[in-house]
Amino acid sequence: QQQVKQSPQSLIVQKGGISIINCAYENTAFDYFPWYQQFPGKGPALLIAIRPDVSEKKEGRFTISFNKSAKQFSLHIMDSQPGDSATYFCAASTAGGTSYGKLTFGQGTILTVHP
Amino acid sequence: GAGVSQSPRYKVTKRGQDVALRCDPISGHVSLYWYRQALGQGPEFLTYFNYEAQQDKSGLPNDRFSAERPEGSISTLTIQRTEQRDSAMYRCASSRRTAASPLHFGNGTRLTVT
Repeated sequence: QQQVKQSPQSLIVQKGGISIINCAYENTAFDYFPWYQQFPGKGPALLIAIRPDVSEKKEGRFTISFNKSAKQFSLHIMDSQPGDSATYFCAASTAGGTSYGKLTFGQGTILTVHP
Repeated sequence: GAGVSQSPRYKVTKRGQDVALRCDPISGHVSLYWYRQALGQGPEFLTYFNYEAQQDKSGLPNDRFSAERPEGSISTLTIQRTEQRDSAMYRCASSRRTAASPLHFGNGTRLTVT
């Protein structure tokens, strides 16, 4: 019930290409869906987040697409750059409550962008 | 400004010993979270505080794990009688107490139990 399933486990993209990472959740009480980016030796850092009242959110080269009926959301990285090479985690929580920071994370996707 | 600070950065301990992991959140951040991250996995929620009050400890694996934040700032996660399965990266995060405020994670403490 609390799982967030993320795919693929790893992804290799050429510079300038589009990177797509997918997540699926089961708990319909989730109403906050952030994506975190993690570089080696560092903690995860918030990249972009979406609430289920919108189907898409774009910030620069990063876009979240959200499909409430399918209980799925995805991260698209346009014009991928070598500096985007990192591990990406999707997550979910109930932001409407007081424990919005109690995030359930996906398993992570290691993205490698080749020059 | 300064981020979330965790110490020690690395901790190696023998099985059966107690360890204390420290977290110093961003100044002014009311909420403080502890997560555990196994290698190659996403962080897993352990517990969290608003001010000095522990709001949720449902993620603590067993009663060997405890956490405190006595003055609503620095927090300590204590693991008693450590076991090899406790080996992991322990991460602290802090945030403002407003809806959907981002969590700011520290660089973590790598615990190895031998």
